Amino acid sequence: DIQLTQSPSFLSASVGDRVTITCRASQGISNHLVWYQQKPGKAPNLLIYAASTLQSGVPSRFSGSGSGTEFTLTISSLQPEDFATYYCQHLHSYPITFAQGTRLEIK
Amino acid sequence: EVQLVESGGGLVQPGGSLRLSCAASGFTFRSYDMNWVRQVPGRGLEWVSFIFSSTSMTHYADSVKGRFTISRDNAKNSLYLQMNSLRAEDTALYYCAASSRATGDGLAIWGQGTVVTVSS
Repeated sequence: DIQLTQSPSFLSASVGDRVTITCRASQGISNHLVWYQQKPGKAPNLLIYAASTLQSGVPSRFSGSGSGTEFTLTISSLQPEDFATYYCQHLHSYPITFAQGTRLEIK
Repeated sequence: EVQLVESGGGLVQPGGSLRLSCAASGFTFRSYDMNWVRQVPGRGLEWVSFIFSSTSMTHYADSVKGRFTISRDNAKNSLYLQMNSLRAEDTALYYCAASSRATGDGLAIWGQGTVVTVSS
């Protein structure tokens, strides 16, 4: 099974900051990676698919990059509504596992 | 409005069974692959099971293989998860989620979840 390791697990940042979250796969997964945002008490929301394609309706301050085993999610200028937990998930082969998540909090 | 609504959760004793349902509306259900994902409160997401849009092909997490069965009825726009031999560690919020090639198989549509509690 493919394992995903996301870092950091916790991130404290300020409005306006640029932040980057990394997701590493235990083996190559091409671009078969997606990113989700989850706010407390809500279901996850798909942000990025195919490693770098912005889902419809997602603000352009979110971007994704990477291929193979290393991927990043970048938020160019944090807004108050971006403070949430972020998860990557691979879709390369079953089981399609999630990483443990990154909790992004206001500094 | 695009919507997934889960139901069927509740309190069940260890070793018991439960059947979750997920009703879809506002989109062409038969064109989407479907998944179950669970989450223990305060913890991360765990993918549970998958079923293709129009075939009987399914996949399961190792943690539920042999105990859970996913199925769908495209005529009723509904997804199901039959859960047998339930364990305390199956306690979680269960989401149904729809995926498609259009979003790289990412889970683009989610319900709000139904709570399953396994306890004596």
